[in-house]
Amino acid sequence: KNQVEQSPQSLIILEGKNCTLQCNYTVSPFSNLRWYKQDTGRGPVSLTIMTFSENTKSNGRYTATLDADTKQSSLHITASQLSDSASYICVVSGGSQGNLIFGKGTKLSVKP
Amino acid sequence: DARVTQTPRHKVTEMGQEVTMRCQPILGHNTVFWYRQTMMQGLELLAYFRNRAPLDDSGMPKDRFSAEMPDATLATLKIQPSEPRDSAVYFCASGLRGRDTEAFFGQGTRLTVV
Repeated sequence: KNQVEQSPQSLIILEGKNCTLQCNYTVSPFSNLRWYKQDTGRGPVSLTIMTFSENTKSNGRYTATLDADTKQSSLHITASQLSDSASYICVVSGGSQGNLIFGKGTKLSVKP
Repeated sequence: DARVTQTPRHKVTEMGQEVTMRCQPILGHNTVFWYRQTMMQGLELLAYFRNRAPLDDSGMPKDRFSAEMPDATLATLKIQPSEPRDSAVYFCASGLRGRDTEAFFGQGTRLTVV
């Protein structure tokens, strides 16, 4: 069954600290993997998209990694800011019909 | 600036009533998605249009939900009759290149069915 699992479900960190969010998937065949950031009360915004051949991609303080062999991805946030408080959603495109399979997200709270 | 616009932002309705949600995709985008988001299920794809044609609506309960694109600037999602379990945030997103495209999301319509 095509699934995307994210961990942790929620995370609280202090401003300025780094953190890493995890995404494991069982989608096959695999097309691409995206990380979205969703602020409370708003729609998701794309952070990165990674294809099979890419294993690292950065967007400012956000760095995503992809290990297609182990079917794992991570999103690393460096020097967190209060504005990083949001839900981070991992989405994998693939499966026999090219569907989008969503993780349930990690809710990150950055405290001063 | 270009953005996906959804109306209304909030809707409270009684069970059994018809609900229509509207979406204006980003000008020039040929792909439109409807998503539903709940705390329990997260984001779920309901329907997907390309060039105004519905290509996939397998995620949508067919007996009460319908999605259309009367023209390139308007997508609608209708629920008739609405039920309390339909309470959720409904997002519209648009993109340029089909199902695999980067999707730009609207602000969502928060629907509450009482």
